[in-house]
Amino acid sequence: GAGVSQSPSNKVTEKGKDVELRCDPISGHTALYWYRQRLGQGLEFLIYFQGNSAPDKSGLPSDRFSAERTGESVSTLTIQRTQQEDSAVYLCASSLAYRLAEQYFGPGTRLTVT
Amino acid sequence: AQKITQTQPGMFVQEKEAVTLDCTYDTSDQSYGLFWYKQPSSGEMIFLIYQGSYDEQNATEGRYSLNFQKARKSANLVISASQLGDSAMYFCAMREGGTASKLTFGTGTRLQVTL
Repeated sequence: GAGVSQSPSNKVTEKGKDVELRCDPISGHTALYWYRQRLGQGLEFLIYFQGNSAPDKSGLPSDRFSAERTGESVSTLTIQRTQQEDSAVYLCASSLAYRLAEQYFGPGTRLTVT
Repeated sequence: AQKITQTQPGMFVQEKEAVTLDCTYDTSDQSYGLFWYKQPSSGEMIFLIYQGSYDEQNATEGRYSLNFQKARKSANLVISASQLGDSAMYFCAMREGGTASKLTFGTGTRLQVTL
């Protein structure tokens, strides 16, 4: 596909369970970003990967949140022991190395914690 | 202090008219970038336009233009000849520093285009 893809599109989970969200960036995009969007709010930065550099994790809200990326491909965002306040849309974006400013977003994963 | 402020939670505009969506920002960096994204009801974020802090000309992309007033720290989006398909949430965002990493977003403006 031409764009950033994310799976699942929707996830409902019980409080306390772990969830994994997946992002497939645009082929050739070395930079990958995760954001969170709570209902009616703007996007909050979570984490940024660029090539083989150490990721910028400054936006992760707690140690329950972690993310991995294998090389320049797929990334997974893991939330452990989910809480109701984790309910949000999780958006992934990617960009080219020489156009880091221009991020292309996926459709997001809507996470609902019951 | 908010890094990005969008003071208009909602705006209405008639089809074919122009509309300005406000955005002010706060940064002490000399090098930064300003962005506008559109988010339709489908939820996807669509990149519209970018303005670098050192760019002397206002950015334009088709019907979109960015009214960059550096001294006022404002980066308003102007949409000309509005279309029904322009109805969406619009977010202003900023990248700080010389290298790109995270974007900081405003709270958004919901634009409704009417007949």
